[in-house]
Amino acid sequence: DVKVTQSSRYLVKRTGEKVFLECVQDMDHENMFWYRQDPGLGLRLIYFSYDVKMKEKGDIPEGYSVSREKKERFSLILESASTNQTSMYLCASSPPTGSLKQPQHFGDGTRLSIL
Amino acid sequence: DAKTTQPPSMDCAEGRAANLPCNHSTISGNEYVYWYRQIHSQGPQYIIHGLKNNETNEMASLIITEDRKSSTLILPHATLRDTAVYYCIVRVGSSNTGKLIFGQGTTLQVKP
Repeated sequence: DVKVTQSSRYLVKRTGEKVFLECVQDMDHENMFWYRQDPGLGLRLIYFSYDVKMKEKGDIPEGYSVSREKKERFSLILESASTNQTSMYLCASSPPTGSLKQPQHFGDGTRLSIL
Repeated sequence: DAKTTQPPSMDCAEGRAANLPCNHSTISGNEYVYWYRQIHSQGPQYIIHGLKNNETNEMASLIITEDRKSSTLILPHATLRDTAVYYCIVRVGSSNTGKLIFGQGTTLQVKP
């Protein structure tokens, strides 16, 4: 089974802090994604990466950055946390999207609260 | 990516089949239909996907109409653990972005 592991299930940080969310996948997937999920807004894509050191902005990249130094690890960084970044953050991975039978697999999420 | 429309909620008796509909009338010829579910406080779980043929796996069956404008996810023998929000998503299989656009989904309540 595909395993996508997010480092924390729950996290509480203060406004202005630099926050790191870590995600590791064990299936040698090329693609990795960061989404946030908010009530009434569904899942929204923040950033994705299709290879080591490669990254692309998603729909809501403002206030975030990412790092992919190794294939299995994709980090989301909140440069200066703000209260409107309180949310559930979900990481996903998949083989290249040309592999039509291979869906995205998600981690269990990190519920981040910014005080 | 095409938009999907799902009923906001459905009930199903335990042990009976749960049939969850999805409309995707603007689907393009190269867009796949994916189904995910999300149990409270967990990440979305992949269930099944298809292009135009019906598909079956150990979790569910996916029936896609001939014109591909709608589909139905079938859980053949629903259990209480199948209570979740079910999302129907269409996306281009060859898209470099590969992002998934989740709508509001259908909240399925399986009752004893």
